Amino acid sequence: DGGITQSPKYLFRKEGQNVTLSCEQNLNHDAMYWYRQDPGQGLRLIYYSQIVNDFQKGDIAEGYSVSREKKESFPLTVTSAQKNPTAFYLCASSDGGIYDGYTFGSGTRLTVV
Amino acid sequence: AQSVTQLGSHVSVSEGALVLLRCNYSSSVPPYLFWYVQYPNQGLQLLLKYTSAATLVKGINGFEAEFKKSETSFHLTKPSAHMRDAAEYFCAVSPEYSSASKIIFGSGTRLSIRP
Repeated sequence: DGGITQSPKYLFRKEGQNVTLSCEQNLNHDAMYWYRQDPGQGLRLIYYSQIVNDFQKGDIAEGYSVSREKKESFPLTVTSAQKNPTAFYLCASSDGGIYDGYTFGSGTRLTVV
Repeated sequence: AQSVTQLGSHVSVSEGALVLLRCNYSSSVPPYLFWYVQYPNQGLQLLLKYTSAATLVKGINGFEAEFKKSETSFHLTKPSAHMRDAAEYFCAVSPEYSSASKIIFGSGTRLSIRP
């Protein structure tokens, strides 16, 4: 079955370390997105990519970086510059249009220790 | 600019009671509207969507929503709540014309079901 795979499910990071969250999709979708979710704040867009080798900043891009070298993959790096990285991170994809909404992965919970 | 407001961050109903989750949107052009459900520690799953066809939209798990342009609302309802409906629900909006394919999400409503 087609879908989006996020790994790992849980991730612990020491302060000052960079960490990369994986997002892979086999839906042949052009567009991919990264969201951050904190309790009571809904979803906030970090980065999105509408095509390979191109991506744009979302509303809260500071302290994060992404790459889109392959259509199937959109990894997110949480850098040491991100002051409060503990959160639930969601990856999503769409076929580039908005008719069908987004397909979401199951998320990665990042905790800084 | 588009926006969506969900009234009530937490709604609690008894099992078997009507579920009503409120969503109002702001859009200068005809919108596409969505409801998503999120169970604990999981991603979001599409419940239903409005794409300018029928104003009453039926979704999965017995949920439905009605698009009311005059009220700029897209409230989610279910006649009889089940314990398994306990989750977080997100309303979302996207302008019909958009090529940027960015959906705007509300802040979410947590639904609790009392036995």
